[in-house]
Amino acid sequence: EAGVTQFPSHSVIEKGQTVTLRCDPISGHDNLYWYRRVMGKEIKFLLHFVKESKQDESGMPNNRFLAERTGGTYSTLKVQPAELEDSGVYFCASSQQANTEAFFGQGTRLTVV
Amino acid sequence: QKEVEQDPGPLSVPEGAIVSLNCTYSNSAFQYFMWYRQYSRKGPELLMYTYSSGNKEDGRFTAQVDKSSKYISLFIRDSQPSDSATYLCALKMNRDDKIIFGKGTRLHILP
Repeated sequence: EAGVTQFPSHSVIEKGQTVTLRCDPISGHDNLYWYRRVMGKEIKFLLHFVKESKQDESGMPNNRFLAERTGGTYSTLKVQPAELEDSGVYFCASSQQANTEAFFGQGTRLTVV
Repeated sequence: QKEVEQDPGPLSVPEGAIVSLNCTYSNSAFQYFMWYRQYSRKGPELLMYTYSSGNKEDGRFTAQVDKSSKYISLFIRDSQPSDSATYLCALKMNRDDKIIFGKGTRLHILP
């Protein structure tokens, strides 16, 4: 069974540009999460989808970040325009139920220069 | 005050030694306690999951939770070079809540 897959594995963009990260959860997992780790900090929660609905987006840092999960399958996280402080590793995770184990993808390393 | 404090290390120990990793937390509302292992360039993977105070053992790994002291520990017995990774403590207030991570401790097991 395929795990959580994230694309791209690494992205380098210039400040002001737009980047879209993609996450394919484990098939059948209704719950999808985005987390990120910026340099020297903890992994922090961004938001939680249940199917296509945003259950909790309290961790989204500002309105430059837009997450979508059309059709309740894969999800995208768009950063527009990117700033230097957005650099970090963005993790996606999925789980069958909200109270069961969440499986993490390998992460997308975003570098804004 | 940070929600979770974890010494980032690195911690280097010889193969076969017992490893002790720890975290402290500030909010007594946390009820679910986890340890994740993360290899380089990989995502975190769940290692241990405990509810409330007490011990839980799984093979060479033992997780301990002391809610009165707000202190959680992970012990690794007979450590192996393959245990070299970053270990993250993680907490939740409710079962379906978001995960709050510690910074992670980098562990090196020396052959």
